[in-house]
Formats: sequence, C-alpha cells, structure tokens
Amino acid sequence: QLQLQESGPGLVKPLETLSVTCTVSGASINSRSFYWGWVRQPPGKGLEWIGSLYYGGSTYNNPSLRGRVTISVDTSKNQFSLNLNSVSAADTAVYFCISSYSGNYYSLYWGQGTLVTVSS
Amino acid sequence: EIVLTQSPATLSLSPGERATLSCRASQSVSYYLAWYQQKPGQAPRLLIYDASTRATGIPARFSGSGSGTDFTLTISSLEPEDFAVYYCQLRYSWPLFTFGPGTKVEIK
Repeated sequence: QLQLQESGPGLVKPLETLSVTCTVSGASINSRSFYWGWVRQPPGKGLEWIGSLYYGGSTYNNPSLRGRVTISVDTSKNQFSLNLNSVSAADTAVYFCISSYSGNYYSLYWGQGTLVTVSS
Repeated sequence: EIVLTQSPATLSLSPGERATLSCRASQSVSYYLAWYQQKPGQAPRLLIYDASTRATGIPARFSGSGSGTDFTLTISSLEPEDFAVYYCQLRYSWPLFTFGPGTKVEIK
C-alpha cells in the first residue's frame, strides 16, 4: 500500500523559500505506475492544486503561482519536494503531497498534510 | 480557464436522508471530473472519478453522474460518517487541475 508522509519547517518568514518534502513508502519514486504532486489548503478554505511530477521528470505547475514553484525528486531517498519562493502570508496553508496511478491522474493517495505558516 | 462552481455551499440534512450535490463547469469537460470527501483535520479521500466510477472501497451509497458541464454526487442515505465537505475536481484541462469551492454537508 502506497503511503505518503510530508515534512516541513512549520514556520517560514515572508519573502523566503518554503520547502516541503514528501517521503514515499510502498512504491519507488521512479515507478512508471504513479504520478506525484502537491495540493494546499489555507486554513478554513478550499483545496488548490500546486503542481504535478510525471515519470521522466516532467513537471507542471499552477499558473496562478506565477513561476514560484519548483518540484524535484531525490531518488536516493525515495522523496519528492516542493519549493515555493518569495512567500507571503497568503501562502500559509496545509500542504498535502498526493499520488495517482499513471493514466488516471486523480489523487488517490494523500499524505496527512503539514501546516506551514508564513510570518515574521 | 475552466471554472467549477458547487451548489449548495451548505446542505443541512438528517441521517438517512438523500444528499444531492451539484458541480457545474464553465465549459464542457466531457466526463473528466472527480469527487472527494474531506473530514475535519483529515486529508481528502477520492470517492468518484471519471464522473461516475467509484474508487476502491467506496460504499455503494455514493454515486456520481453527469457529463459535459453538469455533474451530481448523490449519497443515497446519509450515514453519520458522511457529514463532511465534498469537493469536485477537474482533470479535463490536464496537465492543469482545478478544484471546486466545496459543499459542506452538515447535520440538521
């Protein structure tokens, strides 16, 4: 059974870079069978898709985040990461890592989420 | 950009009643739509994908229908654990994904 676990800093200062990592167990991050991605949820609000990572390293990000997003992979640790730069209070949210079966695209697997607060 | 709207924003019902939730797309999206359930403090759970296919392990009281611009999630008889927020999600515009604003199903 695929499992995802986020880890993050908890608190980030404005204009700095937010970095969150997702550790994958139950499957290889290199598997052709899965896609990986990130979704966030500001406190008390709805869900926002951030970006996705596909086999071979292709990534696609939400245009509304204006190029501030980088998603990368560390195959040696079976992890993938989200970097969001130039953060503001509007980026305060629970960040979820997600996974879907390749060809299906819907988010079947979710981590439990990690809250990142942007504040000085 | 395709926009999803969900109605109603809040649905107040009693256990055992039927719940009907709506998701509307601003243009036709074929059947490329999913529904998720989220309970407080938990991650969302995939219920329905491709408009009408139940995900593995989802009870039969959950059903999805629709195509084009209008979609419906129906819970035939509400169980106590079904009171939650429900989101629709679009994958038609892959590689971009969009979530609707959500419908809260609360106990009347």
